[in-house]
This record gives sequence, C-alpha cells and structure tokens, in this order.
Amino acid sequence: DADVTQTPRNRITKTGKRIMLECSQTKGHDRMYWYRQDPGLGLQLIYYSFDVKDINKGEISDGYSVSRQAQAKFSLSLESAIPNQTALYFCATSGGQGDAETQYFGPGTRLLVL
Amino acid sequence: GQNIDQPTEMTATEGAIVQINCTYQTSGFNGLFWYQQHAGEAPTFLSYNVLDGLEEKGRFSSFLSRSKGYSYLLLKELQMKDSASYLCAVMDSNYQLIWGAGTKLIIKP
Repeated sequence: DADVTQTPRNRITKTGKRIMLECSQTKGHDRMYWYRQDPGLGLQLIYYSFDVKDINKGEISDGYSVSRQAQAKFSLSLESAIPNQTALYFCATSGGQGDAETQYFGPGTRLLVL
Repeated sequence: GQNIDQPTEMTATEGAIVQINCTYQTSGFNGLFWYQQHAGEAPTFLSYNVLDGLEEKGRFSSFLSRSKGYSYLLLKELQMKDSASYLCAVMDSNYQLIWGAGTKLIIKP
C-alpha cells in the first residue's frame, strides 16, 4: 500500500467552483506539504504544516487554504477556482527517524480548471 | 533572491555515463537533494548531501561543493528506465526546499 495517498487523482472543474484535494499518510510523519508543479517550473510550495496545530504559508498561498485534520491528513482547498490554477498538485511528508528532512511524495492530483 | 540552475534537457546513450549539474544561490544551506521524476508521476528521493564530497549509491552518485554552490548527479551504466526528469533541491535556512526546474534526461539506444 502507498504510504502517501492523494484523492482525487484527476479532477476537472469550472471557474468559480470550490474544490478540495485530500492527502493521507501512513508514514507517521509530523510534517506535511502541498506543492504545485507547472511545466518548465520547479515545484512551488503552497502551504506546509509541522504538526496539527501549525500551519504556514508557502511562496504561492494566495487563492488556496488548508486544513490539518489529524497528523495523517492534510487537505488543500481552492475556494474559487481559476484557470491559472490548472496544474499538477503534490502532497509530501517528512520527519522520519534517520532522514527527518527527506520529503516523500504522494502520486499527485492533476487539476484542470475550465 | 534564491535560485537553483540546472540544464533543461540532456541526451545520453544506453550504457554510458551522464553528469547532471546543479548550481545554487540560497539564503542558508541545510542540505541538497536529488529526486527522480518520471513523466506524470511523483518525485522519488535519490540522494541527500550536506557535507562536501561524493556520496555513492549503486549506479548513482552525488557530489557537493558548498563553497562553489555546486552539485552534480552522476548516473552510470545508463538504462532506458533512467529516462526521466532529475530535480535538484536545496534546503534553505528556514528548512524549506527550493526546487530547480528539473533536467529532462533522454536515453537513446
């Protein structure tokens, strides 16, 4: 079974709709991250959380919000989707013993906003 | 500003050796990572360097020079399955990863 899972894997939505992307992990890691990836660009950090009570904005948080429901769950919401939020979204975790800084990624969610 | 530079694309032959370079300018340094990413898939961890020198792991090796802001990933005995993008990322003083855009490696028979 995958250690980091994301749902849905693919999503098509319309401009103005609210959508939620979910991430779950069984690695027991405290830290979780949301990134977006666009062609030709590096991964860009949207939000990150170092524990359930700690939420931090990344470099591109505008238009996004997050919720850390439990140690294992971290959700990303687009309150009112717009076409330039079309991208590949990855959740990642870190904090393992012996490799605390290494981030492990979920399979990604491909989002298309029409 | 913070910057990670790596070539956009490289081509190599099956069975050969290829070196992918990465230069960086970041606010602080807490380690450099290399990830492999096949098209449409998640990045997967390859290596981590925090001290200068060469780290060898099977067919893959990674080198770091902190004074030069430079790293390379060396892939030996190339296989077709090595065709992928290779991402360089630096952990800055805030323990956040700054990512390069990735190098697309094309392996030809």
